Amino acid sequence: KAGVTQTPRYLIKTRGQQVTLSCSPISGHRSVSWYQQTPGQGLQFLFEYFSETQRNKGNFPGRFSGRQFSNSRSEMNVSTLELGDSALYLCASSTSGKETQYFGPGTRLLVL
Amino acid sequence: AQSVTQLDSHVSVSEGTPVLLRCNYSSSYSPSLFWYVQHPNKGLQLLLKYTSAATLVKGINGFEAEFKKSETSFHLTKPSAHMSDAAEYFCVVSAVAGSSNTGKLIFGQGTTLQVKP
Repeated sequence: KAGVTQTPRYLIKTRGQQVTLSCSPISGHRSVSWYQQTPGQGLQFLFEYFSETQRNKGNFPGRFSGRQFSNSRSEMNVSTLELGDSALYLCASSTSGKETQYFGPGTRLLVL
Repeated sequence: AQSVTQLDSHVSVSEGTPVLLRCNYSSSYSPSLFWYVQHPNKGLQLLLKYTSAATLVKGINGFEAEFKKSETSFHLTKPSAHMSDAAEYFCVVSAVAGSSNTGKLIFGQGTTLQVKP
């Protein structure tokens, strides 16, 4: 089976812009979780989607949003970018959200 | 609430010597625990997982971990380090309890493993 894929792999944006990141889960996996990784805060949970519905959400501001499509692919959007949003954004998929999660390679976002 | 603490932020070993990466966990119920590895500029790769079937868990690349409930520990070991083991290692606990908190993993702060020739 193909693994989790994320596009793009790298992004450079300026403050105030918005960005959309994409994640394609492993075939058959219906749950997609998103995480932010920074040197200062480590890995933090953003949200989880299952069957096109957000089921769980971490402690991030409303500028961070997402959605999931009927084929389980997920997108994450960050509006009004801030310098502190510079991070590696990782998505992970699992069968139903309760089992082992498998991670994609990540999207590295740099906000200038 | 669940949490994990990795006791060492940096571990340095010589090639061919044993590896020990320490992790303590806190959980109000029987936990699901994982070790993931992250090589530079890469995503996270699952090394092994504990889900209460056996306390000694064998993973990929010769790694194993032992779940000790009395010590609330889940340390990662390998008998002989290889240069390719140099990476960052994360001890992780699942936040899922029953049907709530789905899809959420809680990560330790990570341990950087350096392997010297």
